[in-house]
Formats: sequence, structure tokens, C-alpha cells
Amino acid sequence: GQNIDQPTEMTATEGAIVQINCTYQTSGFNGLFWYQQHAGEAPTFLSYNVLDGLEEKGRFSSFLSRSKGYSYLLLKELQMKDSASYLCAVMDSNYQLIWGAGTKLIIKP
Amino acid sequence: GAVVSQHPSRVICKSGTSVKIECRSLDFQATTMFWYRQFPKQSLMLMATSNEGSKATYEQGVEKDKFLINHASLTLSTLTVTSAHPEDSSFYICSARDPGQGEDNSPLHFGNGTRLTVT
Repeated sequence: GQNIDQPTEMTATEGAIVQINCTYQTSGFNGLFWYQQHAGEAPTFLSYNVLDGLEEKGRFSSFLSRSKGYSYLLLKELQMKDSASYLCAVMDSNYQLIWGAGTKLIIKP
Repeated sequence: GAVVSQHPSRVICKSGTSVKIECRSLDFQATTMFWYRQFPKQSLMLMATSNEGSKATYEQGVEKDKFLINHASLTLSTLTVTSAHPEDSSFYICSARDPGQGEDNSPLHFGNGTRLTVT
């Protein structure tokens, strides 16, 4: 079956760096997405990786290793507003999105 | 950027009644829209794919007679929850891809979601 694994919850300190991991097993691969979802709101797009390596976008970076079925989202200079759930989603060979359950990130002052 | 508008944002209804949720693509045309449901602390679950001008494609386990989908134009899809029951209470979110952003693997743009509470 298809499976996306990410930690349920993480805690970090304001100003610090946090890495959220995602491992996947899917039928084919057409890219991996990271979304941010604040409580009670819809997800917003953060990043897309389809090739191996690191994609940097401001304070957020996303890394992909296709051979390992692994990605991470790196958040730097954490701010209180970064408290949210972070969803990992993989697009399979049929261009269907397979969603992880999300990682709830708690930022403490 | 691409904007998807969803209405209403919150609705409370009595058991047995029907509720309609609208999803509009504001600055692009979407031949396909996706309807998701999310229960608290759980992942997004795809309910159905709405296709303009044709029948929606429902995921396994989703009752098509209960969750009616109409995609009458290139900018509007509606989801009607018929004969709602308390177990239908959930967060419903629509999404679409902007064809102007290219391929099938372009990111989804989400509406703001509808919090449905059935009493």
C-alpha cells in the first residue's frame, strides 16, 4: 500500500531551527509537496520537490532523496506564527496526491 | 497567484437537512476540482474529483448519493451534503490546480474550507 510517515508533533524554540522529516512509500513518484496548515484553516503551499536535492525559499528549505523515499522541511529563524501543522504529500504515478497526517509544530518563546 | 474561494466558511445545520458548499476559482478556469474532508487531528482525505461537464469521480467508501457534486462551469463546483447527520460534521475543503501553472504536478490551491456542524 501507499504510505506517508511524518512525526505527529514537534516542539521548538523561537529563533531556532527545526527539521520535519517525511518518509514515503508510493506507487510511482511525481513529486513531493509541503503544505502549512494553521488550525481551522486550509493548507497553503510551501514547496515542491521532484529532483533530489535542496530547494531553498527564504526561511524554509525542502530536501528530497528519491532513492531513500525521504524528504525534510527545514524551518530557520522560527517565529511564533510558524506554529502550525506541516503536511507532506506525494504525487504518485497516477498524479494522485497521497497525504501524510501532518506534523503539529509548537513554537515556544 | 491563483485564488480559490469557498463559501460558507462555517455552517450549523440540523440533522436531516441538506447543506450546499460552493467552491470557485477566482482568477483561473478549473476543469477539475477536488473535494477533501478532514477530521480533527487527521490527514486530508480526498472525497471526490469534480469534473466540469461530466460526472464526479468518487473515492472508495464515499457515498455519491449523499455527497452530491455539481461542476456546472469552469469556475464553480458545489458539494451538497444531503440528509446530514452528526457524523458528517467535519472540515470540508475544495482545491484546484491553475492550468496556467503547467503540468498535472503543479501545486493545489485550496479554498479556506467549510466547518460543518450537524446538530
